[in-house]
Amino acid sequence: DAGVIQSPRHEVTEMGQEVTLRCKPISGHDYLFWYRQTMMRGLELLIYFNNNVPIDDSGMPEDRFSAKMPNASFSTLKIQPSEPRDSAVYFCASTSWGAMNTEAFFGQGTRLTVV
Amino acid sequence: DAKTTQPPSMDCAEGRAANLPCNHSTISGNEYVYWYRQIHSQGPQYIIHGLKNNETNEMASLIITEDRKSSTLILPHATLRDTAVYYCIVRFRNSGNTPLVFGKGTRLSVIA
Repeated sequence: DAGVIQSPRHEVTEMGQEVTLRCKPISGHDYLFWYRQTMMRGLELLIYFNNNVPIDDSGMPEDRFSAKMPNASFSTLKIQPSEPRDSAVYFCASTSWGAMNTEAFFGQGTRLTVV
Repeated sequence: DAKTTQPPSMDCAEGRAANLPCNHSTISGNEYVYWYRQIHSQGPQYIIHGLKNNETNEMASLIITEDRKSSTLILPHATLRDTAVYYCIVRFRNSGNTPLVFGKGTRLSVIA
């Protein structure tokens, strides 16, 4: 498996524009997590899904942020409208529930810059 | 999740063992200790986890004290590529999965 795949790797956008980040989890994994990382706040959990259903979105900072998982192999994180303070690295991770295997695999991240 | 405390930074000479401590004094009986690391510009990477017994894999060893209030991650022969931020995470396991909650971690610098 190629691991968790995120796209794009880098995104530069102007304030007010819509931004969509994409994630393809590892095949067979039933949990998907979105994290955001900044120097000030570190790694923060935004939202996570189980079997394509959002379980906890309490980490989503504002209504400008939304996430979907239309099927088991694809998820999006959308910011509309984007603001400079949204600049961060966004990571997607996936895992499967099992007695022995609870290791989470992370993608390489999307570095978002809002100017 | 129980809170963990780690030193903000540590140095280690290349080839020597790196011992990274973690305090988790409020850990409960069914919470595991997980270690992840994040090399610059990459996503976090799983290292090892344990409940109460010491664990070893190809990357590291995990030593958990008998009272489970602290643990130590050991990289037996640190290399320059081990320079990273190391996160100690206490995580509850029940009938479902629980997400990882990251603290500030320890920035390990391996020095030639």
